[in-house]
Amino acid sequence: AQKVTQAQTEISVVEKEDVTLDCVYETRDTTYYLFWYKQPPSGELVFLIRRNSFDEQNEISGRYSWNFQKSTSSFNFTITASQVVDSAVYFCALSEAGYDDMRFGAGTRLTVKP
Amino acid sequence: DAGVIQSPRHEVTEMGQEVTLRCKPISGHDYLFWYRQTMMRGLELLIYFNNNVPIDDSGMPEDRFSAKMPNASFSTLKIQPSEPRDSAVYFCASSPRRLGETQYFGPGTRLLVL
Repeated sequence: AQKVTQAQTEISVVEKEDVTLDCVYETRDTTYYLFWYKQPPSGELVFLIRRNSFDEQNEISGRYSWNFQKSTSSFNFTITASQVVDSAVYFCALSEAGYDDMRFGAGTRLTVKP
Repeated sequence: DAGVIQSPRHEVTEMGQEVTLRCKPISGHDYLFWYRQTMMRGLELLIYFNNNVPIDDSGMPEDRFSAKMPNASFSTLKIQPSEPRDSAVYFCASSPRRLGETQYFGPGTRLLVL
């Protein structure tokens, strides 16, 4: 069963635009963790953020912000004033109680054009 | 810390040859994961270890794939014999504990089987 859904396969924006990447997850656990990773064209997977299920406070880190809403099972990622260097594939992932591994979404390819 | 180290970074081989991918996890991490990434299937978990013991290898595609972790600082993923459909990027990741801990990924090995 698909645990993490990233419905947006590809997004293209012009530099300085704001962009939101959607992530919807599915779990029956009350304790779980959500993650975002960035995969730039160079190929490595870079950890961006981890959020546990008990902390719904939104997170902001520079131009990046994350909106966690348990009511809609969503953990969306917004980039403000996007830059060309933000071009990458972004993955959302879920870690549930009872599982040692993470379930990754299919990823969203973001292209920021100058 | 040096992060997760993988070698080789690129491997080109001919069908039927044996391929060995190597990984050195972050020191002190108890968990090690092997993933495969392809365009068609995205990121797939192949196998993971806890304290050098394989816990779940249900993601290993077939008997041609095998993985070992002889000690806490080294793991190998072997494909014998290799086939063109094995062409992918193989990632190794490690994490310090179980639930909810961030997985840190290596740079990946890009494998091409001709």
